[in-house]
Amino acid sequence: DAGVTQSPTHLIKTRGQHVTLRCSPISGHKSVSWYQQVLGQGPQFIFQYYEKEERGRGNFPDRFSARQFPNYSSELNVNALLLGDSALYLCASSLGSYNSPLHFGNGTRLTVT
Amino acid sequence: GENVEQHPSTLSVQEGDSAVIKCTYSDSASNYFPWYKQELGKGPQLIIDIRSNVGEKKDQRIAVTLNKTAKHFSLHITETQPEDSAVYFCAAWNQAGTALIFGKGTTLSVSS
Repeated sequence: DAGVTQSPTHLIKTRGQHVTLRCSPISGHKSVSWYQQVLGQGPQFIFQYYEKEERGRGNFPDRFSARQFPNYSSELNVNALLLGDSALYLCASSLGSYNSPLHFGNGTRLTVT
Repeated sequence: GENVEQHPSTLSVQEGDSAVIKCTYSDSASNYFPWYKQELGKGPQLIIDIRSNVGEKKDQRIAVTLNKTAKHFSLHITETQPEDSAVYFCAAWNQAGTALIFGKGTTLSVSS
């Protein structure tokens, strides 16, 4: 079975641009979460979606937005990119019930220059 | 806010030795505690988890213990092998059950 797949794997953008990252969950998983991982740190929560509804949001500015589609895939959008947005963006999927284990993809490495 | 502290930040052991990584959490309502292994260029991989109604869980060479009273949990790896070398993260669900709060990670190096 395929795990969580993310695209693209790497991306280079310029300050001020916007970016869209994509994620396909494990088959049967209805919840998708997004995390940002800065080098040398643990992942930080950005969003959780379940059945296309936002269920949780972390401490990130409004430049960050996301959505989940009817097939449970998801997009993370970041507008007006800053140098500090350079990070590994991780998508995780789960069944969606409380305390369901999260399974992560290999992430998208975003570099903002 | 919720916080997870992890120690040590780096750990070097000889092949065959045991390795122990410890975490403490702040939110007494947390009741699910996973451990992840992250290799270079990859996402975190779930290796073991424990729920608050259990004190210990084992899976072959790895085990996790939980002390809810003291709000700490630990990962134990026995008979370490070079392929165990990676960054290990502990985590705890936030009270709302919407987000995992991660520790800062432990870089484990196993030398042969």
